[in-house]
Amino acid sequence: DIQLTQSPSFLSASVGDRVTITCRASQGISSFLAWYQQKPGKAPKLLIYAASTLQRGVPSRFSGSGSGTEFTLTISSLQPEDFATYFCQQLNSYPLTFGGGTKVEIK
Amino acid sequence: EVQLLESGGGLVQPGGSLRLSCAASGFSFSNYAMTWFRRAPGKGLEWVSVISGTDGSTYYADSVKGRFTISRDDSKNTLYLQMNSLRDEDTAIYCCAKSNLGGSSSGFDSWGQGTLVTVSS
Repeated sequence: DIQLTQSPSFLSASVGDRVTITCRASQGISSFLAWYQQKPGKAPKLLIYAASTLQRGVPSRFSGSGSGTEFTLTISSLQPEDFATYFCQQLNSYPLTFGGGTKVEIK
Repeated sequence: EVQLLESGGGLVQPGGSLRLSCAASGFSFSNYAMTWFRRAPGKGLEWVSVISGTDGSTYYADSVKGRFTISRDDSKNTLYLQMNSLRDEDTAIYCCAKSNLGGSSSGFDSWGQGTLVTVSS
């Protein structure tokens, strides 16, 4: 199975901050990576797929990059509605696996 | 608007069976791969199974292989998960999800709220 290691697991930031979250795969997954945002009691929201393609309707302050084994999700200017948990998912091979998640809280 | 509504969860004894359903609306169901995920208490999301929208091919997590069967009825826009030989560790909220672009390599853009399965004696 492909393991995804996400870091940090928790970060505290202020509105307007630039935030970067990293996801490392235990083996190469090309660009088959997605990023999601999840808020308590809500379903996950797809933000990015194919490592860097912004899902329609998602604000352009979100961006993704990387390929192979190292990926990043960047929020260029954190907004109040962005405080949530973010996680990555690899879609290169079955079983599909997830990173452990990054909780973004208000500083 | 895409809607996914799961049903069929409940309390079952170890070794028992349940069949979950996921009623879909708001999109051309037959054209999309559909997936089941689960989240056990205090744990992260776990992928369970996927069924293709093109050829009906299926894949399973090792933890459920041989016990769970995913299927779909495109005439009813409904996804199913037949769960047999249930174990305590199958206790979780089960959610269905729709693939973003048809296949399962571009993420999942719509998720149901889930149905709770509790396996306990």
